[in-house]
Amino acid sequence: ETGVTQSPTHLIKTRGQQVTLRCSSQSGHNTVSWYQQALGQGPQFIFQYYREEENGRGNFPPRFSGLQFPNYSSELNVNALELDDSALYLCATPGQGPTGELFFGEGSRLTVL
Amino acid sequence: GQQVMQIPQYQHVQEGEDFTTYCNSSTTLSNIQWYKQRPGGHPVFLIQLVKSGEVKKQKRLTFQFGEAKKNSSLHITATQTTDVGTYFCAGRTGNQFYFGTGTSLTVIP
Repeated sequence: ETGVTQSPTHLIKTRGQQVTLRCSSQSGHNTVSWYQQALGQGPQFIFQYYREEENGRGNFPPRFSGLQFPNYSSELNVNALELDDSALYLCATPGQGPTGELFFGEGSRLTVL
Repeated sequence: GQQVMQIPQYQHVQEGEDFTTYCNSSTTLSNIQWYKQRPGGHPVFLIQLVKSGEVKKQKRLTFQFGEAKKNSSLHITATQTTDVGTYFCAGRTGNQFYFGTGTSLTVIP
């Protein structure tokens, strides 16, 4: 149990639609990062939020956007969905200790038809 | 751009055999972490290595960080069926983690 909760766990969308994925952390950590994990691949960094501001972004187009709220919960929004957006979307928060480990949620599995 | 590659992509071993996965980065890393992901699960942190040439052990698992801080390895001695999963390295540059392509381990009883 990582204390990181994501919703929904599974969803199906069609091309061109928009999707919002949500993430919350029991610890209320001020940093959250989002990853895309395609089938058989490693997680790919999408972006990171620190105190409601984006402070790092991977190689993803602008149709991938995010928000972090005052309670440090977070959203990932994807517009104009494409078939290749089908993946497991993971959010992660850093642990409190010195190791800098990431605690991942269970993920939201998105299928785009 | 930053790339982190792992080999092999897949490994099947008999229970009791050893297993090693290798991780190579195109750039120097500030640190490297290892994660394990069970089928259908999410990545779970195993360890972090920070120093050049660092070696850490966790029971049957041995982790190494290369002298140039561009490569790393994970070695499992005498695999067990509970070791099944995909092992990812994640190299840190700045405030970003770059995950490797993963090695999927199957242990045959």
